[in-house]
Amino acid sequence: AQTVTQSQPEMSVQEAETVTLSCTYDTSESDYYLFWYKQPPSRQMILVIRQEAYKQQNATENRFSVNFQKAAKSFSLKISDSQLGDAAMYFCAYRSRGGGADGLTFGKGTHLIIQP
Amino acid sequence: DAGVIQSPRHEVTEMGQEVTLRCKPISGHNSLFWYRQTMMRGLELLIYFNNNVPIDDSGMPEDRFSAKMPNASFSTLKIQPSEPRDSAVYFCASSIGGQYSNQPQHFGDGTRLSIL
Repeated sequence: AQTVTQSQPEMSVQEAETVTLSCTYDTSESDYYLFWYKQPPSRQMILVIRQEAYKQQNATENRFSVNFQKAAKSFSLKISDSQLGDAAMYFCAYRSRGGGADGLTFGKGTHLIIQP
Repeated sequence: DAGVIQSPRHEVTEMGQEVTLRCKPISGHNSLFWYRQTMMRGLELLIYFNNNVPIDDSGMPEDRFSAKMPNASFSTLKIQPSEPRDSAVYFCASSIGGQYSNQPQHFGDGTRLSIL
């Protein structure tokens, strides 16, 4: 079974600065998907960014980018120019590709605090 | 476009009562997932349907939990009888699925369930 580990329960950053959230995972599969979801206090689960393991290029979505290191099984999220609206819980998630195991395996989350 | 719709948003009931949570997936999505979120265990997959058929129910905690998907636009998660330890936020998510789909899951706003 796959596991996802987020080693930072909480991170704090000044508004407009850059912060990196860590995620590592354990799998014996070679093909899979990785995701970062954001959960603000409103409880919604919002997709931030996704990465396909067979793609070497790191995914980018505006101020959000990932550092995907397949050999190290690492998938960190970088948030540039942090904004107050970025304050939320951030969850890293893994999904197998194929085999019918389409459910997401989540890490325990990182609580991101943005200081004005 | 309407997202995943869950009802009720909040549910408070006494232990021993039957609880039914409802979910309407995004139109055209053929995969549906039920997740549970607690402080202790984080986000866990309970059950996953593809084309209305349950594919993986290994996450269903015990026989008190059951889920159905009678058609492509509706699913229920039922707990009978309910217990205080079932208190959690229950999320429904849908996606355009299939083994090799790279489409992400879209989440509903969740149902906060409190069993007294």
